[in-house]
Amino acid sequence: GAGVSQSPSNKVTEKGKDVELRCDPISGHTALYWYRQSLGQGLEFLIYFQGNSAPDKSGLPSDRFSAERTGGSVSTLTIQRTQQEDSAVYLCASSPTGVTLNFGNGTRLTVT
Amino acid sequence: DAKTTQPNSMESNEEEPVHLPCNHSTISGTDYIHWYRQLPSQGPEYVIHGLTSNVNNRMASLAIAEDRKSSTLILHRATLRDAAVYYCILVLTGGGNKLTFGTGTQLKVEL
Repeated sequence: GAGVSQSPSNKVTEKGKDVELRCDPISGHTALYWYRQSLGQGLEFLIYFQGNSAPDKSGLPSDRFSAERTGGSVSTLTIQRTQQEDSAVYLCASSPTGVTLNFGNGTRLTVT
Repeated sequence: DAKTTQPNSMESNEEEPVHLPCNHSTISGTDYIHWYRQLPSQGPEYVIHGLTSNVNNRMASLAIAEDRKSSTLILHRATLRDAAVYYCILVLTGGGNKLTFGTGTQLKVEL
């Protein structure tokens, strides 16, 4: 069956540009998470959506980062005015219950 | 959040059992112990989870200490495909919270 799909798989952008990263969760999964992983590091929590509840944005590193989840399905992570330190793999995960997560393979973002 | 401590790396030979330890001395009574693994260039994948009793599934076994302050993920016969970073994390009963991943244990499997 279809898993979590993320696009693009790779993105190279110039410093100062805005980028949008897309996540298509598994159908019917009400919970959706965004994490990022810098080279050789563990996963850093960014944001969590659960149904119609207000998202947990406590992990967003700055106000340049924002995320939306439309219709309880697709989610978009937007990074404005990208900086070199934003370079990382951005991972999306969905879950039917928020207990066990299904991850996508991520978007590798490189800011030059 | 209750934290977990894992060795940075471990090595194993193919076809031998592997025991990956995790310490979680500040675990609360409502925390489940979850394990994920991350193969190269992929997102993490769920392996197994438990609360108090030992658990088995097709991928691995989870042994939980009686006081729940530590646990061990057991791969019964390691293969080259098991080379990955293994994460031990604590998840609040009922889920619905952010999962905090540490740096995990890099498992190397040799012929």
